[in-house]
Order: sequence, then C-alpha cells, then structure tokens
Amino acid sequence: EDQVTQSPEALRLQEGESSSLNCSYTVSGLRGLFWYRQDPGKGPEFLFTLYSAGEEKEKERLKATLTKKESFLHITAPKPEDSATYLCAVPLTDKLIFGTGTRLQVFP
Amino acid sequence: AAGVIQSPRHLIKEKRETATLKCYPIPRHDTVYWYQQGPGQDPQFLISFYEKMQSDKGSIPDRFSAQQFSDYHSELNMSSLELGDSALYFCASSLGPRNTGELFFGEGSRLTVL
Repeated sequence: EDQVTQSPEALRLQEGESSSLNCSYTVSGLRGLFWYRQDPGKGPEFLFTLYSAGEEKEKERLKATLTKKESFLHITAPKPEDSATYLCAVPLTDKLIFGTGTRLQVFP
Repeated sequence: AAGVIQSPRHLIKEKRETATLKCYPIPRHDTVYWYQQGPGQDPQFLISFYEKMQSDKGSIPDRFSAQQFSDYHSELNMSSLELGDSALYFCASSLGPRNTGELFFGEGSRLTVL
C-alpha cells in the first residue's frame, strides 16, 4: 500500500537550533515528492518539489533532500516565524497524498 | 496575485442539514481538488475535477457530491450532515491534472456540525 510517514510528530527547537524532519514513503513509481508548510487554520503552502534521489532544493533556512526511500527537510538556524506544520506529499494517480506532518515550534 | 477563493470561510450547521461549499480556482487553472482536514490530521483527499469532469475520487462519503462548472469553479455539496463532518475543507487548484505537485490551496472553509 502506498504510504507516507513523517517523523517526528512534533518538534520543539530553540531559535538557532538546527534540525531535520523526515518523510519516508513506500510508493511504487515515485513521480516526485513535495513539501508544504501549513500555518494553523490556513491552507498548505507549497515549498519544494523533488524528483530524483540526490536532488536538493533550498529556500531561505530550509533545504530539502531526497533519497530512494525518504526525504529530509533540514532547518538551519530556525526562527520563531518558521513555526508551522510541515507536510510532505506524493502524487498518486491525479491526487496528492499527504503525510501526517511534523508540527514545528521554534522558541525565541 | 489572485489566489484560490473559498466561501464561506465559516459555516455552522445542525445534524442532518445540508451545506454547500464553493471554490474559485486561480484564473486559468483547470483542475480543482477538495480535501478534508480534521483537527490535528493531515489533509484527506476527497475528489478532484479536470475540465469539468471528475478526475479522481478519494474517501468522499456518498452523502457528499461535487461538481465543476464551465467557469471552473467548483461546489462541494454535503447532505445529512454528521458530527464527524466537522472539519476544515480545503480547495486547491492547479494547471492540469497530472501536475507537478504544486497545488495552490485556498484558506479553507471551516464547517462545524452541532
């Protein structure tokens, strides 16, 4: 069964404390892996698309990487405004299947 | 830039009532997706439309129906509402159904069933 699993469920960081979020997937014929950010009560906001193992994408303090079985979202020196839920997703037929997300809280 | 517009933003209904949610995609986007998100849950795919035809279907209850109109806006109709239908309902749009994964989400419609 196609599945997307994220860990940890929740992560509390001090401002400036770097860390990584994990997204593992079991999908045959992967057609990309996507990272979204979701603020409370808001719709998910697209961050990155990764298509092949070894690919990396960066945006400000975020860097996403992809292997054959998982993806990592690295957060370098996070700030309180990085607090959000980070969702990874994979396409399945014509829809996106989301992972359960990692709720990140960054404290000053 | 224009974004995905959803209405209403908040909706309170009684059990067994009917509700209709509307979604206006980004101009020129021809594909619309509906997702349901319960508290602390990930978005669950309900249904999608491409060029006014249903393109994929997920865990949408039989009590729910949806359609996409000629101007590409979409409506999600929910009947015989149950307490468990209380959730945030997101609409997203994209250009083409087999997209790059870059879906543009609306702000959501929060449905509360009492």
